[in-house]
Amino acid sequence: GNSVTQMEGPVTLSEEAFLTINCTYTATGYPSLFWYVQYPGEGLQLLLKATKADDKGSNKGFEATYRKETTSFHLEKGSVQVSDSAVYFCALTLNYGGATNKLIFGTGTLLAVQP
Amino acid sequence: DAGITQSPRHKVTETGTPVTLRCHQTENHRYMYWYRQDPGHGLRLIHYSYGVKDTDKGEVSDGYSVSRSKTEDFLLTLESATSSQTSVYFCAISESKGQGAFSPDTQYFGPGTRLTVL
Repeated sequence: GNSVTQMEGPVTLSEEAFLTINCTYTATGYPSLFWYVQYPGEGLQLLLKATKADDKGSNKGFEATYRKETTSFHLEKGSVQVSDSAVYFCALTLNYGGATNKLIFGTGTLLAVQP
Repeated sequence: DAGITQSPRHKVTETGTPVTLRCHQTENHRYMYWYRQDPGHGLRLIHYSYGVKDTDKGEVSDGYSVSRSKTEDFLLTLESATSSQTSVYFCAISESKGQGAFSPDTQYFGPGTRLTVL
């Protein structure tokens, strides 16, 4: 079946440290891949996306590259800030169009950045 | 921010009582979704809608029903709430064509409703 596996947290870093959150997927067909972020007490916000192999999504200093050969979509940031503290979700949809783009989520990774 | 609101934002109820959660959008998106968020599970799809009066089941639909009589509103009903339905519920919207700040086929989420069933 289709699934997403991401590293368990919490991940605790000092400010300005390098961040990697691993995400791998299993999918039939050709998924689009997403990273969503959830700040405390809020809903999910789209952070970045990639729709085909070798695409790189980027936003707010975060990057992730769609790697078909390793079925991965790892999230990276060169220098984290306290304000990046949140839960990060990796997700995929299969490209059938419209409502059949059901999102399949990983379990989420809590990131805590200390000053 | 996407024009998605959810009501109520918090609710405490007792086992066996009916509960209705509302999702309202102002973006005129065709597709709407209900998810629940639980520790260790991420988000799981309950039901979704692909148009007015057109709905279908998701991964965890047992014990839930939905209705969509207008484009802007998507209601989630727990006919007889149980403690296992204590969760945070999120609504999402999407559209197959991009418009403005919205990417095509990308889901945008509401702020959530925290439901506690005692």
